[in-house]
Amino acid sequence: GAGVSQSPSNKVTEKGKDVELRCDPISGHTALYWYRQSLGQGLEFLIYFQGNSAPDKSGLPSDRFSAERTGGSVSTLTIQRTQQEDSAVYLCASSPGQFYGYTFGSGTRLTVV
Amino acid sequence: QKEVEQNSGPLSVPEGAIASLNCTYSDRGSQSFFWYRQYSGKSPELIMFIYSNGDKEDGRFTAQLNKASQYVSLLIRDSQPSDSATYLCAVKPNQGGKLIFGQGTELSVKP
Repeated sequence: GAGVSQSPSNKVTEKGKDVELRCDPISGHTALYWYRQSLGQGLEFLIYFQGNSAPDKSGLPSDRFSAERTGGSVSTLTIQRTQQEDSAVYLCASSPGQFYGYTFGSGTRLTVV
Repeated sequence: QKEVEQNSGPLSVPEGAIASLNCTYSDRGSQSFFWYRQYSGKSPELIMFIYSNGDKEDGRFTAQLNKASQYVSLLIRDSQPSDSATYLCAVKPNQGGKLIFGQGTELSVKP
């Protein structure tokens, strides 16, 4: 597609429920990244996929968080048993490779109530 | 010490002035440097990147890199109220494929 597409744009969920966030990167971009941004805060790295290499999961805050990337394209970030501290904007980005800048999607605003 | 540091601001400049945004980084082997602009409620947008020491100009924007001092800056000439945003500095370190972002500097351009 023309840009990085994320869905849903907003998600309100009850504490303890599982959520799935989707990212469709720019066609041909081999690298895909997930970050999150809490209100007034900087970008916190979560996970990074590069081609067929094993993902860099070093930023995932707990084992409740997982992500996969199918067919080298679409990625899904799953948060199990959501907690209020998971409330944030989850941003996906893609790039042609690790030495290039990112193009961000518009984000998913997650609110856990 | 944070890996990428920026003054949080807010930095306030009058319309037409030069805005100077600064960033320092800790990994001396860092290879690539990026500036993103983020309007309130929006996602970051790439505006400049620089790989080599010196200056790189693009329209009203100039990125400056000094690897010896581990310092990168962004100058915005003839600042406009539409430049009011948070500016994020991002660095690709020597190891690993992800960018490390600073906390951002909030810029306010007053008419």
